[in-house]
Amino acid sequence: EADIYQTPRYLVIGTGKKITLECSQTMGHDKMYWYQQDPGMELHLIHYSYGVNSTEKGDLSSESTVSRIRTEHFPLTLESARPSHTSQYLCASSEGAGQETQYFGPGTRLLVL
Amino acid sequence: TQLLEQSPQFLSIQEGENLTVYCNSSSVFSSLQWYRQEPGEGPVLLVTVVTGGEVKKLKRLTFQFGDARKDSSLHITAAQPGDTGLYLCAGGLNTGNQFYFGTGTSLTVIP
Repeated sequence: EADIYQTPRYLVIGTGKKITLECSQTMGHDKMYWYQQDPGMELHLIHYSYGVNSTEKGDLSSESTVSRIRTEHFPLTLESARPSHTSQYLCASSEGAGQETQYFGPGTRLLVL
Repeated sequence: TQLLEQSPQFLSIQEGENLTVYCNSSSVFSSLQWYRQEPGEGPVLLVTVVTGGEVKKLKRLTFQFGDARKDSSLHITAAQPGDTGLYLCAGGLNTGNQFYFGTGTSLTVIP
């Protein structure tokens, strides 16, 4: 059973608002990831982190930013939400330095009006 | 450009039928994983294959890694409505630690 949590699960917000999507894991994993996914479609990596104070941009360009101040916490922030940001955002974590299992949170479904 | 292409993209079948989902690439992967994602949830790992030609079975699911480690297949025997979901392959290259996810196959099994 994966112990990775995301809040909120659903968010409806107006254009121009600043939002932060929370992701926490209690497994002590060093590596964490943020993916963007439209319903029933492929996952696009937007950010990842290999440990505290380490953050990198993924393959899909995103206007969001992330921070990794603590091992267990990897929040994603949108300074000014737009309708084009409407999507599902999935957080994941994995341990160690190999290509091992990624454990996913339940996701945050974001709707920007 | 997608590193991993899955086919078919959508599949709707009757309960009891068999099906195969394919995951193809021109790149060689050191390992390949299959995940299943149910609506409103995150993907969950089904299997990891690491050796070319490897075959793994998980109840009615059979996974195969291609001999050249460029492709994989997932075969489901006697599909059930509980198999409905999005199936994603993900591969790790020899260089780097990142996994690349496939384009996904959305499966619907009709009772």
